[in-house]
Amino acid sequence: EPEVTQTPSHQVTQMGQEVILRCVPISNHLYFYWYRQILGQKVEFLVSFYNNEISEKSEIFDDQFSVERPDGSNFTLKIRSTKLEDSAMYFCASSDHPYSGNTIYFGEGSWLTVV
Amino acid sequence: DAKTTQPTSMDCAEGRAANLPCNHSTISGNEYVYWYRQIHSQGPQYIIHGLKNNETNEMASLIITEDRKSSTLILPHATLRDTAVYYCIVRVATGAARQLTFGSGTQLTVLP
Repeated sequence: EPEVTQTPSHQVTQMGQEVILRCVPISNHLYFYWYRQILGQKVEFLVSFYNNEISEKSEIFDDQFSVERPDGSNFTLKIRSTKLEDSAMYFCASSDHPYSGNTIYFGEGSWLTVV
Repeated sequence: DAKTTQPTSMDCAEGRAANLPCNHSTISGNEYVYWYRQIHSQGPQYIIHGLKNNETNEMASLIITEDRKSSTLILPHATLRDTAVYYCIVRVATGAARQLTFGSGTQLTVLP
């Protein structure tokens, strides 16, 4: 079964450092997402991306965050200057064409610890 | 997207059916009901979704009431590996990249 893969599975970074989280969505999927989950809290939407541009973003997704699809297979989330409160599990997700019921499939997550 | 209400927690005996209810009384005609689960901080796993008809797949069945104001996810023979948080989410499923809004879900514990 095709799956969304994410790297790294766990990253520890110093406050103020830049972090890039990487994702390989399911091939032939067109929509890409990032979500995050702070320990013990709900899964929160960050951003969705389609046709090389952001479709939706939440209030969490401020100027410190950016997304990119640098080639035909990867989708990245960059945090420019990490803060302690960015410590969370970050989930990448993808979905296919919108007219087919559009199920979103999630990766296993990248756990980011900011120290 | 419409809001959903789920019980905070439920227990189920291993091998028995687990019936997880969800209330979505403000659902609109073009909104689907989706179910996901999350096993201990792993990525949310898609289970099933439906619009108005009952649906069944290899994982579960989804029963939607005729007025669409509530639904039940049924795991026919629960195993210990089904212990997870189950999320009922209502979402417009057409148009551009509509995201999922997760609530607190139901913590299902399958007991041996």
